[in-house]
Amino acid sequence: QVQLVQSGAEVKKPGSSVKVSCKASGGTFSNYAISWVRQAPGQGLEWMGGINPIFGTTNYAQKFQGRVTITADESTSTSYMELSSLRSEDTAVYYCARDLRDASGSYYYYYYGVDVWGQGTAVTVSS
Amino acid sequence: QSALTQPASVSGSPGQSITISCTGTSSDVGGYNYVSWYQQHPGKAPKLMIYDVSNRPSGVSNRFSGSKSGNTASLTISGLQAEDEADYHCSSYTSSNTLYVVFGGGTKLTVL
Repeated sequence: QVQLVQSGAEVKKPGSSVKVSCKASGGTFSNYAISWVRQAPGQGLEWMGGINPIFGTTNYAQKFQGRVTITADESTSTSYMELSSLRSEDTAVYYCARDLRDASGSYYYYYYGVDVWGQGTAVTVSS
Repeated sequence: QSALTQPASVSGSPGQSITISCTGTSSDVGGYNYVSWYQQHPGKAPKLMIYDVSNRPSGVSNRFSGSKSGNTASLTISGLQAEDEADYHCSSYTSSNTLYVVFGGGTKLTVL
């Protein structure tokens, strides 16, 4: 059974960047799209973007365009989410999650729903 | 693109049934059958409960069911149990040009 293990909590200064990792173990990584979702304190879930690891194709929420970069390294079964120009409103728990369906040859990122989640990475942005 | 609309809270007594609504538009909930529901206990990662509007993943109790009518999806929990108390989030694929996936604001379920 695949598990997604994320990197540890981070404290960042405004204006800096953070890079969160998400490593898959115990199952297939490349054949499934990976989505990144965040949750600000007391708020709902917010989709940031995702990647099809086979081809490296990505799709980002317009809100984060230019600030977020999602990558995947098939050799280590790891996806990364880097968010730059951090501000206090970026304080949140960041989750990676694997799609419930495999890519089946799809070139693009896709989303049918996610059935495997990482444990979450708390990112605090404070001066 | 606004988030899908969910009630902030719902409540019910043990053994009762409750329904949580998730209202979107024809660009998301109403236009596609890729609605999913997630249960989230405090401090934990979300858990998939329903996908493709009404399908349950293996291991999820059949007390959980999903449906859709027009632009509104619904999650029904029958025979409420104390452990069902949690936040519930809906999500959908969207054909918006600013998003690919949209989530609801989340609903806090209280079991009285």
